[in-house]
Amino acid sequence: RKEVEQDPGPFNVPEGATVAFNCTYSNSASQSFFWYRQDCRKEPKLLMSVYSSGNEDGRFTAQLNRASQYISLLIRDSKLSDSATYLCVVNIVRGGTSYGKLTFGQGTILTVHP
Amino acid sequence: DTGVSQDPRHKITKRGQNVTFRCDPISEHNRLYWYRQTLGQGPEFLTYFQNEAQLEKSRLLSDRFSAERPKGSFSTLEIQRTEQGDSAMYLCASSPRRTGDTGELFFGEGSRLTVL
Repeated sequence: RKEVEQDPGPFNVPEGATVAFNCTYSNSASQSFFWYRQDCRKEPKLLMSVYSSGNEDGRFTAQLNRASQYISLLIRDSKLSDSATYLCVVNIVRGGTSYGKLTFGQGTILTVHP
Repeated sequence: DTGVSQDPRHKITKRGQNVTFRCDPISEHNRLYWYRQTLGQGPEFLTYFQNEAQLEKSRLLSDRFSAERPKGSFSTLEIQRTEQGDSAMYLCASSPRRTGDTGELFFGEGSRLTVL
């Protein structure tokens, strides 16, 4: 079983739609959670961190359910420029130590069309 | 440009040849990471340096792979006796402190390797 699992999609939505991505992680020792965005043929970039209480950044809302080991990302009022791959990322602690290594999911492809 | 830079951006080689990639991190960052990404997959961790010390290596990093960061600044990733399965994008990233604090790794644009 992969440590971080995502539905690869693709998700094809019209502009203005609301779309949600889900992610599950297998290691309960995971301590930190993030969403990265990767544009086609570009490097991944941090989109937002995910906090236990849930957090929002403009049209983007991230939520974490530690009990279910589940992370979500909601995008409201989708724009054409939101088209990208969204990577679910966790920082897994082993042996009580985190070296800062991030573990990435497969990514979910989003295409927003006019 | 003060971001992470990688060289070469593209490399085509024949099976069995050796290749070396270079990464120059953001200057004040003491942590440097190598990841590998294949089509349709997320980046997979290969190895990690804090300053010049290599602190972790993935099981993915076979004996044919070696990475160095001799002076705690730039890093090199060498692949010996390349195989077709080594074809991938090799991404370098750096960060200034514990990634668990911010989750932000700053990635370079990657070095794409094609093994014929």
